Amino acid sequence: SQTIHQWPATLVQPVGSPLSLECTVEGTSNPNLYWYRQAAGRGLQLLFYSVGIGQISSEVPQNLSASRPQDRQFILSSKKLLLSDSGFYLCAWNTGFSGNTIYFGEGSWLTVV
Amino acid sequence: GQQLNQSPQSMFIQEGEDVSMNCTSSSIFNTWLWYKQEPGEGPVLLIALYKAGELTSNGRLTAQFGITRKDSFLNISASIPSDVGIYFCAGPLNAGGTSYGKLTFGQGTILTVHP
Repeated sequence: SQTIHQWPATLVQPVGSPLSLECTVEGTSNPNLYWYRQAAGRGLQLLFYSVGIGQISSEVPQNLSASRPQDRQFILSSKKLLLSDSGFYLCAWNTGFSGNTIYFGEGSWLTVV
Repeated sequence: GQQLNQSPQSMFIQEGEDVSMNCTSSSIFNTWLWYKQEPGEGPVLLIALYKAGELTSNGRLTAQFGITRKDSFLNISASIPSDVGIYFCAGPLNAGGTSYGKLTFGQGTILTVHP
């Protein structure tokens, strides 16, 4: 069966510091990968998605970037964090056979102080 | 992206009561998804709907894809304390198109169940 993992689970970073959140998927090949952000425990917003290694699309302009160095690895980064980057970041995956249905990881809490 | 209006925003109910929540979109959708999120965790898929009029159950949960394709409903029967959480509806970011996992979400319904 497929599994998805994110780390770290929680992170407290000062303003201006860099960020790296990592996500890996097991049990499937060539997944579509996504980064979503959830603010204040409410609706989720799509940040980035990737259909393959090195292929990244951004949905909203922001202070963050994403990379996909390996088939099942997705990384969310920032060179200099802003207070507004605080939130719950969720990695998700699906395949071409699951249509619009996606499956989420455990999430990473980021607090920028 | 499409706007989803989910209601109610929160519900406080007694154990054993039935729950109903709904979601409407400004455009026609070809997929409706319902997720549940517990504190500090990622959302978990409850039910996926792919056809107008479709009625799908998952245990005590039942969801329907509205005939107009602009709305969906989630019902929980005989609620229990472990039903507590935030319930989200979701649909394709590009309504009616091939968004393939690019989703727009409602703002969520916070469900509290009193024993």
